[in-house]
Amino acid sequence: SQQGEEDPQALSIQEGENATMNCSYKTSINNLQWYRQNSGRGLVHLILIRSNEREKHSGRLRVTLDTSKKSSSLLITASRAADTASYFCATPVSGTYKYIFGTGTRLKVLA
Amino acid sequence: EPEVTQTPSHQVTQMGQEVILRCVPISNHLYFYWYRQILGQKVEFLVSFYNNEISEKSEIFDDQFSVERPDGSNFTLKIRSTKLEDSAMYFCASRARAGQPQHFGDGTRLSIL
Repeated sequence: SQQGEEDPQALSIQEGENATMNCSYKTSINNLQWYRQNSGRGLVHLILIRSNEREKHSGRLRVTLDTSKKSSSLLITASRAADTASYFCATPVSGTYKYIFGTGTRLKVLA
Repeated sequence: EPEVTQTPSHQVTQMGQEVILRCVPISNHLYFYWYRQILGQKVEFLVSFYNNEISEKSEIFDDQFSVERPDGSNFTLKIRSTKLEDSAMYFCASRARAGQPQHFGDGTRLSIL
């Protein structure tokens, strides 16, 4: 698998349900970031979790990080139609200025 | 809230021509980036810029590409002799300091004919 690979690739849920997306990475990291991208727009930063943190919350978002498994998950609770977007994880490659983005999860929330 | 701005939003250029994509990062940010996203694909790192020089570049960022920070506010990506496969969205990003998130512009859609 590639560095920064999300699954599922696509997810379709009903409004009010929870959405969970997962990200796996290969190299050691200092932090991991989640971004949202609405169609045709730039990426919006959602949450940054540092390597010494296991869980972080921001509003309806909950991110977990398991450095032993090199994986992270993003949970969106009580989803809304406006949450429809692609979600990406991004990791800075340790010791460099380079960031690697995952393949993304396309989330569709049906009203 | 301060934001990264990119111009133009859409650029159409003939193959072989040079193109300059412009970005105004957030004013107190120190690290600057260019990324590319081919339609339907992942966001790919091109180059990072810090302290007035390239700090990292990917294998995509070959001699065809160059970046400049000509003054205190602009950050440009120049693509010489464009090819069809350069058609993509190009995103500029900036961040304040190490360990902080990147802030992205809305991108420039580059179409090479």
